[in-house]
Amino acid sequence: AQTVTQSQPEMSVQEAETVTLSCTYDTSESDYYLFWYKQPPSRQMILVIRQEAYKQQNATENRFSVNFQKAAKSFSLKISDSQLGDAAMYFCAYRSPLISNFGNEKLTFGTGTRLTIIP
Amino acid sequence: DSGVTQTPKHLITATGQRVTLRCSPRSGDLSVYWYQQSLDQGLQFLIQYYNGEERAKGNILERFSAQQFPDLHSELNLSSLELGDSALYFCASSVAADRMNTEAFFGQGTRLTVV
Repeated sequence: AQTVTQSQPEMSVQEAETVTLSCTYDTSESDYYLFWYKQPPSRQMILVIRQEAYKQQNATENRFSVNFQKAAKSFSLKISDSQLGDAAMYFCAYRSPLISNFGNEKLTFGTGTRLTIIP
Repeated sequence: DSGVTQTPKHLITATGQRVTLRCSPRSGDLSVYWYQQSLDQGLQFLIQYYNGEERAKGNILERFSAQQFPDLHSELNLSSLELGDSALYFCASSVAADRMNTEAFFGQGTRLTVV
């Protein structure tokens, strides 16, 4: 079974600065998907960014980027130019590939990192 | 708006009671997933349905059950409720048949409080 570990329960960053959230995972699969979800106080789960394991290039979405190290099974999220609206819980999640493991498309989540933005 | 609708948004009930949570997936999505998020915890996978059939099961209690109807909406039934069942219950949907569409879209959740 896959596991996802987020070792930083809480992080804080000054507004406009850069912060990196860590995530490691354990799997025996060679192909999979990784995600970062944001959960603001409204509790809505919002997809921030996703990475396909077969792609070597790190995913980027505006101010959000990842550092995907497949051999190390590490998947960190970097938030640049932090804004007050970035304050939230951030969850790292793992998903098996659909075709090779049909029926096991569930997301396995880490325990989350609470990010505080300091004005 | 994710396109996934969950009702009700909030539910308060007494121990020992039974409740039903409802989820309408995004148009065209065949898979529905249910997750439980206890206070300040990560999301735990409960169960998945695909086109009306149970596809995968996680750590779902025997007191909990779910189904997906022909119109693809899903219901999660929680019975003999205990205080520890208080949590946020999320429904998510995805196409789940196309490798390129790997995103799961989440509803806003149902907050269940058992008193």
